[in-house]
Amino acid sequence: GAVVSQHPSWVICKSGTSVKIECRSLDFQATTMFWYRQFPKQSLMLMATSNEGSKATYEQGVEKDKFLINHASLTLSTLTVTSAHPEDSSFYICSAPKTGLLEQYFGPGTRLTVT
Amino acid sequence: GQQLNQSPQSMFIQEGEDVSMNCTSSSIFNTWLWYKQDPGEGPVLLIALYKAGELTSNGRLTAQFGITRKDSFLNISASIPSDVGIYFCAGQAGYGGSQGNLIFGKGTKLSVKP
Repeated sequence: GAVVSQHPSWVICKSGTSVKIECRSLDFQATTMFWYRQFPKQSLMLMATSNEGSKATYEQGVEKDKFLINHASLTLSTLTVTSAHPEDSSFYICSAPKTGLLEQYFGPGTRLTVT
Repeated sequence: GQQLNQSPQSMFIQEGEDVSMNCTSSSIFNTWLWYKQDPGEGPVLLIALYKAGELTSNGRLTAQFGITRKDSFLNISASIPSDVGIYFCAGQAGYGGSQGNLIFGKGTKLSVKP
């Protein structure tokens, strides 16, 4: 199957700092990647759609200035949580559809803890 | 907006038992996906369904895409301890990953009977 990686797998940061999370498709190119957020014992909630070569599309209620997304290449999308606060602590997961297929493959997730 | 109702919310399994879970929606989906998520990990794709009525197996797992395109079920036969985890159904309304966002069910948590 397709492989998607994320880095870092976990990060602890102080309130007010910014954190960058990387999502890479390892064996395929992805013009589109998706960023999800998951709170404990809850389902995945789509935050935004990352588009290579154009601006990301954000879901309603997601602050685009707080969650900066950059789709730098066909294999890399980054999510930067700016001026992080404790309420931003969550599990962030990216996914990407493999070219020519309809199913999406997920990264292993990044656990963000803001102190 | 579109929502998926996944049931049961949780269930306990004993090794060797068959397990069944399902998802329903008031909207039509063109693709149904079933994922399993272990604690601290991202979801892993188990089965993808593309056509109404399609029945697909992956080892001990069997899933079907409802004929109305509004539901799907997942069966696990002869469960083993490593089947424990959270199972999510996901529906995709559009065609192609760039068009259709995934809508997730709330998950079914499988635990081992004490």
